[in-house]
Amino acid sequence: AIRMTQSPSSFSASTGDRVTITCRASQGISSYLAWYQQKPGKAPKLLIYAASTLQSGVPSRFSGSGSGTDFTLTISCLQSEDFATYYCQQYYSYPRTFGQGTKLEIK
Amino acid sequence: EVQLVESGGGLVQPGGSLRLSCAASGFTFSDHYMDWVRQAPGKGLEWVGRTRNKANSYTTEYAASVKGRFTISRDDSKNSLYLQMNSLKTEDTAVYYCARASYSSSWYLDYWGQGTLVTVSS
Repeated sequence: AIRMTQSPSSFSASTGDRVTITCRASQGISSYLAWYQQKPGKAPKLLIYAASTLQSGVPSRFSGSGSGTDFTLTISCLQSEDFATYYCQQYYSYPRTFGQGTKLEIK
Repeated sequence: EVQLVESGGGLVQPGGSLRLSCAASGFTFSDHYMDWVRQAPGKGLEWVGRTRNKANSYTTEYAASVKGRFTISRDDSKNSLYLQMNSLKTEDTAVYYCARASYSSSWYLDYWGQGTLVTVSS
């Protein structure tokens, strides 16, 4: 199985900050990577697919990049509603695998 | 509006069985692959498995942790997805989400239900 490793596992930031979360795959996955946002007690919400394609309705302050093994999710100007846990997932091969999550907290 | 509503969760003893359902609406269910994903309390997301659509013979894929114990099926006439869980273990305790997969070079998960909690305990 492909292992997905996110960094950092958690960190604190302030509204208005620019933040970047990294996801690394244990082997190449081309651009078959999605990013999800999850708030406590809620289902995950798709933000980005194909590594850099913004899902319809997602604010443009979210962006994704990367291919192969290294990927990033960037939030250009943090809003209060962005404090949540973020997961990457590869859909290149089975079994599908997720990163362990990155919890973004208010500083 | 895409809606996915899971049901069937509850408390079950180790070794027992449970069947989860997911009712879909707001899209052409039969066109899409469908997945189950679970989340143990306070933990991350774990992919459980997938059923493909009729065009792909309803074939399935499973995580190693559930293969041979869990079975995914669907009824396109009822716009419903199912997860039959047998030989349940305490480590199967989790919120179970159904999720729709859409295609763009490959199948990615774009909509998720609200989840149903399964607790395996004596």
